[in-house]
Amino acid sequence: GAGVSQSPSNKVTEKGKDVELRCDPISGHTALYWYRQSLGQGLEFLIYFQGNSAPDKSGLPSDRFSAERTGGSVSTLTIQRTQQEDSAVYLCASSLLMWGRETQYFGPGTRLLVL
Amino acid sequence: AQTVTQSQPEMSVQEAETVTLSCTYDTSESDYYLFWYKQPPSRQMILVIRQEAYKQQNATENRFSVNFQKAAKSFSLKISDSQLGDAAMYFCAYTTYNQGGKLIFGQGTELSVKP
Repeated sequence: GAGVSQSPSNKVTEKGKDVELRCDPISGHTALYWYRQSLGQGLEFLIYFQGNSAPDKSGLPSDRFSAERTGGSVSTLTIQRTQQEDSAVYLCASSLLMWGRETQYFGPGTRLLVL
Repeated sequence: AQTVTQSQPEMSVQEAETVTLSCTYDTSESDYYLFWYKQPPSRQMILVIRQEAYKQQNATENRFSVNFQKAAKSFSLKISDSQLGDAAMYFCAYTTYNQGGKLIFGQGTELSVKP
């Protein structure tokens, strides 16, 4: 079946604008994860969903970041009033269940550049 | 703090030779899972190999194997018969049973393969 898909692949925006990043997980996967990959911080966890609920939002760097998941499928990560330090690759992953033993399958990421 | 350390930012190997990538981690949990992911220039993170902490036997996947030393909190990756397609960034990561699958990543090791 299809893997995890993310859109857009690349996004260039101006400082202060809002952006929405989309993730389509593998069909049937109940757990969905967002990570951020940047030069200075490496790969860092942002948030995960089990179904439509987000038990752990501890990685969201500020209140400008929010995420939602609808229908237990598609997820959107929204960054409001973007800053230059938000420039990074945003990776989405999904797994069948939310347990640690489950393998996470990653999408190709969205590269965000804030000018 | 839960951390993963990859002490080799860059490694190089001759085609058909063997290379070992190092990883150490720090957790107080007893039930956890370890992973090596590969990220080629396409940005797609691909699972290479995984190890459950409760298993004493080292995991093996074709040319990839690990040396898991639980007491030393060490989890190195050995790549045998290196191929040009193995060139990529390699990330070591772990999650614990009660973290919902949230992965903690190391900083990565960039592997180049010389023909």
